[in-house]
Amino acid sequence: DAGITQSPRHKVTETGTPVTLRCHQTENHRYMYWYRQDPGHGLRLIHYSYGVKDTDKGEVSDGYSVSRSKTEDFLLTLESATSSQTSVYFCAIVEPGKDTEAFFGQGTRLTVV
Amino acid sequence: SQQGEEDPQALSIQEGENATMNCSYKTSINNLQWYRQNSGRGLVHLILIRSNEREKHSGRLRVTLDTSKKSSSLLITASRAADTASYFCASEDSGAGSYQLTFGKGTKLSVIP
Repeated sequence: DAGITQSPRHKVTETGTPVTLRCHQTENHRYMYWYRQDPGHGLRLIHYSYGVKDTDKGEVSDGYSVSRSKTEDFLLTLESATSSQTSVYFCAIVEPGKDTEAFFGQGTRLTVV
Repeated sequence: SQQGEEDPQALSIQEGENATMNCSYKTSINNLQWYRQNSGRGLVHLILIRSNEREKHSGRLRVTLDTSKKSSSLLITASRAADTASYFCASEDSGAGSYQLTFGKGTKLSVIP
């Protein structure tokens, strides 16, 4: 497995509370992504980063924010968690080159009750 | 909107048989990738085919790409029980930049020993 670690792996939180998920990589890859995976939807891009302090929105960014203060860390924050944000969240990294395959973390299962 | 669409959604075959999964996409692409996901795990990259390629092989995997029909297929030959997993196609949109991938909803493959 590529050096990607997501934490926590599981979390249960209450509606309205803030939640931060962390993605840590040891590969020094420039691009990092947060996806959510839901039944019937596959994976959908939330936010991505193309460098330190450089981030942009994906397809389903409402209710989420991100930060990248170091190359190795990409944080996803749910400012005020809602039940619709119950999902499995995956971090991925890409290093631009001839073939831009993505490497994924093991996922974080988040339940908002 | 979700771009890649796989069919079938689910496929059940006997060990030793071949498994074929199809994928459609909607925009111009740089490449088309296939990923495998074992239950409860992250996605693992299988194979990438560039937009100027029509067919590619890797071990028991064969992928084809038809850019005129905006479709791709993944063939797994001589399937094994260990191939049981969900398979996702992902297209890298040539217009999006940032090496973003748009995933399909996946095909769940069950290989019966």
